[in-house]
Amino acid sequence: GNSVTQMEGPVTLSEEAFLTINCTYTATGYPSLFWYVQYPGEGLQLLLKATKADDKGSNKGFEATYRKETTSFHLEKGSVQVSDSAVYFCALSDRNNAGNMLTFGGGTRLMVKP
Amino acid sequence: GAVVSQHPSRVICKSGTSVKIECRSLDFQATTMFWYRQFPKQSLMLMATSNEGSKATYEQGVEKDKFLINHASLTLSTLTVTSAHPEDSSFYICSARVPRDREFSGANVLTFGAGSRLTVL
Repeated sequence: GNSVTQMEGPVTLSEEAFLTINCTYTATGYPSLFWYVQYPGEGLQLLLKATKADDKGSNKGFEATYRKETTSFHLEKGSVQVSDSAVYFCALSDRNNAGNMLTFGGGTRLMVKP
Repeated sequence: GAVVSQHPSRVICKSGTSVKIECRSLDFQATTMFWYRQFPKQSLMLMATSNEGSKATYEQGVEKDKFLINHASLTLSTLTVTSAHPEDSSFYICSARVPRDREFSGANVLTFGAGSRLTVL
């Protein structure tokens, strides 16, 4: 079956530090990969996505590259801000799964201190 | 565009009562919606897939009689937590598949409601 593994948090960084949140996956087909963000007290928002190998998703300074050879989709940002404090979820959608469901990782809480 | 509205955002109820949570697609039709439960350590669990005009498909381990799902129209799915108990306290999130003409490119993308925090006393 499909699975997504994320690094456990919390990740605590100072403002302007470099961020990496690791994500690896297992899938039977050719999945699309996503990062979702959940700000305090809110629901999930799509942050970025990639649909095929070597694609790079980017948004709001965050980037992630679909690496098929390492089955990874690590999230990076060069300089984090306090407003980036949130929980980040890596997820995949397997195109062989007609239900369009997402398989989520466990989430990683990021705390950015001023 | 492609907004999902969830209501209520917070609800507190007494043990033994039932609580209904609504999930509406505001500007598109959603034949399929999904209900997730978020546990205290931030993991998300898919509870069920809600299909318009038919019975919901529940994930293994989810009690059908406890969590009633009704998808009566193309824009509304409801989750009813029946005879709620303190262990049902959680954050419930719904989502719907974004129509292809609303995606910003390519693959299947889900849009999520803001979630409903249920506290059972």
